Amino acid sequence: EAGVAQSPRYKIIEKRQSVAFWCNPISGHATLYWYQQILGQGPKLLIQFQNNGVVDDSQLPKDRFSAERLKGVDSTLKIQPAKLEDSAVYLCASSLSGSRDNEQFFGPGTRLTVL
Amino acid sequence: GDSVTQMEGPVTLSEEAFLTINCTYTATGYPSLFWYVQYPGEGLQLLLKATKADDKGSNKGFEATYRKETTSFHLEKGSVQVSDSAVYFCALSTGGGNKLTFGTGTQLKVEL
Repeated sequence: EAGVAQSPRYKIIEKRQSVAFWCNPISGHATLYWYQQILGQGPKLLIQFQNNGVVDDSQLPKDRFSAERLKGVDSTLKIQPAKLEDSAVYLCASSLSGSRDNEQFFGPGTRLTVL
Repeated sequence: GDSVTQMEGPVTLSEEAFLTINCTYTATGYPSLFWYVQYPGEGLQLLLKATKADDKGSNKGFEATYRKETTSFHLEKGSVQVSDSAVYFCALSTGGGNKLTFGTGTQLKVEL
């Protein structure tokens, strides 16, 4: 069974530029998550989708970050404009449902460096 | 708010040594507790979990017991191998949803 796919794996941009990350979850998984992992910290949930609807985006900096999951399958996370503090690994995860204790499967992540 | 505190690393052990990585939590309600592992170059993967007090999660020789009285979920393994070298994250979820709150991670290095 294919795992969660993410691209690109690495991205380097200048501050104030925009960037987009793509995620393809495991087939059949209704719930998709985006996490931000800053160096030396644990992953922090940015946004959670159930199919194509947002369940939780309370920690998403909405002035610069946006995410969509238009057809309830793959998802895109965008940052515009980027700041130095956005340098982090962006992790996508998926689970069969959003019910508590449903195992989340993580992709390899996209490492973003903002110069 | 919910939080997880785990011991800082890196932890360096010789092969076949006993491992303990401490994890304590603060949460409203009754959380479920997890250990995730990240091997070099790979994504996070679930190692074990426990969903109620006194439950013991176990997998691949690792164990952790949900201790409500001490709000802890310490990870243990009796005899580590070089292949166990990785970063270990303690996490919790509360409420009806599946949002995970992670600790900062503990890097384990096992040497021959």
